[in-house]
Amino acid sequence: DVKVTQSSRYLVKRTGEKVFLECVQDMDHENMFWYRQDPGLGLRLIYFSYDVKMKEKGDIPEGYSVSREKKERFSLILESASTNQTSMYLCASTDVGNTIYFGEGSWLTVV
Amino acid sequence: GENVEQHPSTLSVQEGDSAVIKCTYSDSASNYFPWYKQELGKGPQLIIDIRSNVGEKKDQRIAVTLNKTAKHFSLHITETQPEDSAVYFCAASDYGGSQGNLIFGKGTKLSVKP
Repeated sequence: DVKVTQSSRYLVKRTGEKVFLECVQDMDHENMFWYRQDPGLGLRLIYFSYDVKMKEKGDIPEGYSVSREKKERFSLILESASTNQTSMYLCASTDVGNTIYFGEGSWLTVV
Repeated sequence: GENVEQHPSTLSVQEGDSAVIKCTYSDSASNYFPWYKQELGKGPQLIIDIRSNVGEKKDQRIAVTLNKTAKHFSLHITETQPEDSAVYFCAASDYGGSQGNLIFGKGTKLSVKP
């Protein structure tokens, strides 16, 4: 079965903390994505990556960075968490032209 | 860039009735249109998709239609069941192009009442 695993499902962090959200896929996919999901706003693309060590900004990259040191792993980093980054974060992966598979999501609360 | 509008935002139907969700898109280069179902507390899962070289696709109780001239596509669920209750997202992409990422609609919350 296809698997995109987000290791942290629920996190509570303090304002100003550095936060790492990890995502691993076992399908040898080239492309990986981080989305943010908020009520009434749908899914918005934060960053994506088409190859190891490669990254491209999505629609809302401000306040975030990413890291892709290995093909199977794509990390989302909040350098200094703020309350407006409280949200659900979804990782996804795909090969070009194929189905996008999502992880189960990481619920982040920043207090 | 691409913009996807999805309607309605909420939809309530009786069990056994049909449900229709509609999306419009702006970029004529888009050629891949998937639909995702998201159950509470889970990530979105693909339920059906259509590519621009066909006008309709069916999978059991689910069907999707595409009108490229009008730039709209729709999800049809027949004989709805309570387990169909979820949030549904449409999306569009020029997957064969340089980026391949999806642009999503804002979602439709479907409630099926027994």
